Amino acid sequence: DSGVTQTPKHLITATGQRVTLRCSPRSGDLSVYWYQQSLDQGLQFLIQYYNGEERAKGNILERFSAQQFPDLHSELNLSSLELGDSALYFCASSPPVSSGANVLTFGAGSRLTVL
Amino acid sequence: LAKTTQPISMDSYEGQEVNITCSHNNIATNDYITWYQQFPSQGPRFIIQGYKTKVTNEVASLFIPADRKSSTLSLPRVSLSDTAVYYCLVGEGYGGSQGNLIFGKGTKLSVKP
Repeated sequence: DSGVTQTPKHLITATGQRVTLRCSPRSGDLSVYWYQQSLDQGLQFLIQYYNGEERAKGNILERFSAQQFPDLHSELNLSSLELGDSALYFCASSPPVSSGANVLTFGAGSRLTVL
Repeated sequence: LAKTTQPISMDSYEGQEVNITCSHNNIATNDYITWYQQFPSQGPRFIIQGYKTKVTNEVASLFIPADRKSSTLSLPRVSLSDTAVYYCLVGEGYGGSQGNLIFGKGTKLSVKP
């Protein structure tokens, strides 16, 4: 158990629908990151939040949005779902300050299947 | 962002030492080099991080030459359970370059008996 909790573990839905993925970071971590990994593809960085504020943005579609709440948990909202959105969605967190570059701790992922 | 280049795949046998080299020609002064390991359907796991020279932990060693334009992850005496994808990332992350958030395709290591 990495300490990063993601729910749900599996989700099956239809095209055009909207889903919400949830992430609770490790205790003490202020940053939350979202990644998308399609079958046999690399990890695509979507977005980062730090203590409730957006810190960095990657290849996140306009149909996707995220936020980090005061209790530091984060939600990734995916709307108008398409078949190509089927993927593993990972959440990661990192501590507020550290020597060196921030090191990410990943959750187990949420597998989304769009039919 | 410092772009990284690493081999797409590597094969090895159990008990051998495996060295995976990553090129990062435009690494910035404040950038660190971080390696992660990922098993299928699991999130990546941090292996090691370094800035210069050599870093060693219980899992691996990281060799970084003086010019820092490349780095080599060394896995001693690999086993079948080391079969995974290994990612090299370069960046700072704390208010600076976010290159350490960009994973790329990684190196798929296959360890055979």
